[in-house]
Amino acid sequence: KNQVEQSPQSLIILEGKNCTLQCNYTVSPFSNLRWYKQDTGRGPVSLTIMTFSENTKSNGRYTATLDADTKQSSLHITASQLSDSASYICVVSPILTGGGNKLTFGTGTQLKVEL
Amino acid sequence: DAGITQSPRHKVTETGTPVTLRCHQTENHRYMYWYRQDPGHGLRLIHYSYGVKDTDKGEVSDGYSVSRSKTEDFLLTLESATSSQTSVYFCAIGRGQSQTTYEQYFGPGTRLTVT
Repeated sequence: KNQVEQSPQSLIILEGKNCTLQCNYTVSPFSNLRWYKQDTGRGPVSLTIMTFSENTKSNGRYTATLDADTKQSSLHITASQLSDSASYICVVSPILTGGGNKLTFGTGTQLKVEL
Repeated sequence: DAGITQSPRHKVTETGTPVTLRCHQTENHRYMYWYRQDPGHGLRLIHYSYGVKDTDKGEVSDGYSVSRSKTEDFLLTLESATSSQTSVYFCAIGRGQSQTTYEQYFGPGTRLTVT
């Protein structure tokens, strides 16, 4: 069964500090990997998307890396802000098919940024 | 937010009653999805649609049915609600034509409580 596992489950950091979230997946064949941010009470919002041939992608203070050989990805957040407090979800996509793109979601890392 | 609205946003209902959740999009996208999100689980696909009157099951479809009579509306029905269907339900649309551009955009969610 295709799986996506994330660690840590939760994390508390001080404002201004950096942090790295991890994602391991077994989805194969693999098309792309995304990181979503989900604020409390809201729907997930895409941060980055990487195909299997890319190994890094940045979006402001967010940088995602991908190692397709080891099936690992990480999301690095630089100079954290209070507004970064959210759940970060790793999502892996199989090869796009005519029947729609069925994604496999991780359970998320709950990040809390404190003063 | 890709023009996605969900209604109602919150609902409390009793076991055994029918419930219909509505997802409305304004951008004429072909693919629409219904997910549920529960603690300890990633988002799980209930049903999806690839066009008017074209729907298919996801991984957790038991107890749910869907209908899509117009491009813009995708309805999720719980024929006889059970407590195990207490959850947050998200609608999503699929946008993009290639492996690198295809994304799913999520609505704001509906919190359903079955008592």
